[in-house]
Amino acid sequence: DAMVIQNPRYQVTQFGKPVTLSCSQTLNHNVMYWYQQKSSQAPKLLFHYYDKDFNNEADTPDNFQSRRPNTSFCFLDIRSPGLGDAAMYLCATSRDGRAEQYFGPGTRLTVT
Amino acid sequence: AQKITQTQPGMFVQEKEAVTLDCTYDTSDPSYGLFWYKQPSSGEMIFLIYQGSYDQQNATEGRYSLNFQKARKSANLVISASQLGDSAMYFCAMRGYSSASKIIFGSGTRLSIRP
Repeated sequence: DAMVIQNPRYQVTQFGKPVTLSCSQTLNHNVMYWYQQKSSQAPKLLFHYYDKDFNNEADTPDNFQSRRPNTSFCFLDIRSPGLGDAAMYLCATSRDGRAEQYFGPGTRLTVT
Repeated sequence: AQKITQTQPGMFVQEKEAVTLDCTYDTSDPSYGLFWYKQPSSGEMIFLIYQGSYDQQNATEGRYSLNFQKARKSANLVISASQLGDSAMYFCAMRGYSSASKIIFGSGTRLSIRP
């Protein structure tokens, strides 16, 4: 089945220790998104790629970076995680940015 | 500016009853799309239904229907014959023409189905 896969599902990292979250898709969609979601809140868009074009949200901290080496994969790098970065991180894809988004299961990040 | 408002933080419904989740929106875009997503406790966001602003008919997908009232700027989700598995957080979202590839989410409604 075509899907969006996120690894790992749970990640524990130490304060200030870089961490990378990964997302892959078999849908062959052009657009990939990274969201941060904290408890009982709506997802907050961090950035998205339309093909290779990177689109950063104005309020996304510099601490968050992303890479999309090919159509299928997209990575979220947190360079120096703080306690406030503990959250669920959701990856999503869309065929063309106008169609519905399909989400992965998320990675729950804990910062100790 | 675009805005999505969900005024029901939480709802309790008896199993097998129908339930309506409210969503109002505000946009100056002439063309836009409205989405509903379900998020169970597991965390995955599940796409439920889509309504385009120029669609003449209300969208339906199985037990889900979208009550789209353009003049009132509302896009309520109706779930018929609710099931225990419908217990989840529900988010209304909108994509405006000017927002290109992005969607904005409402604050969500937590739906709990009582047996």
